[in-house]
Amino acid sequence: SQQGEEDPQALSIQEGENATMNCSYKTSINNLQWYRQNSGRGLVHLILIRSNEREKHSGRLRVTLDTSKKSSSLLITASRAADTASYFCAPSGGSNYKLTFGKGTLLTVNP
Amino acid sequence: EPEVTQTPSHQVTQMGQEVILRCVPISNHLYFYWYRQILGQKVEFLVSFYNNEISEKSEIFDDQFSVERPDGSNFTLKIRSTKLEDSAMYFCASSPRTLNTEAFFGQGTRLTVV
Repeated sequence: SQQGEEDPQALSIQEGENATMNCSYKTSINNLQWYRQNSGRGLVHLILIRSNEREKHSGRLRVTLDTSKKSSSLLITASRAADTASYFCAPSGGSNYKLTFGKGTLLTVNP
Repeated sequence: EPEVTQTPSHQVTQMGQEVILRCVPISNHLYFYWYRQILGQKVEFLVSFYNNEISEKSEIFDDQFSVERPDGSNFTLKIRSTKLEDSAMYFCASSPRTLNTEAFFGQGTRLTVV
């Protein structure tokens, strides 16, 4: 299955700092998605980057994708306390009718 | 903004009872999913549904589980005989078109089996 592995498992930063989370995967993909989950809530789609893209921006989010290394990173700039959540990557491709989530990165932004 | 809605938000049931979790996906979406998350663990895929049939299911989705789209708007997950280990958050999700696109998740139903 196409499950991503996020690193680090936990990250604690101060408000205003940047946060970088990484994702590695093992199989070829069509795209890779990032999701956020606030504690006990549903996942929220953040951004999708296609396999032929190297970088994508959305507001304070910047995602990179390196298909040769089978890795992606999510950068959140100027973090806020409200960014505190778990972040998951979901590599996607082939004929899979599902997204598979790893354990995620728990980001804590301290005010 | 369109959203996936799930009811109830919390359900408590006796072990062995049947439960039905309900979801209203975003209209005009074509793919529907159920996921579950046991407390403190990762979000696990249960089943995907397209064109009125199951597209893919996980090992978790055994004979005690079933899904149905009884009308044009609802998508349900039935657990026939609940077990203690079925206690979890259950999330419904939908996607607008073909696979490999973003999924929109509901806020979940917390199922507690006692």
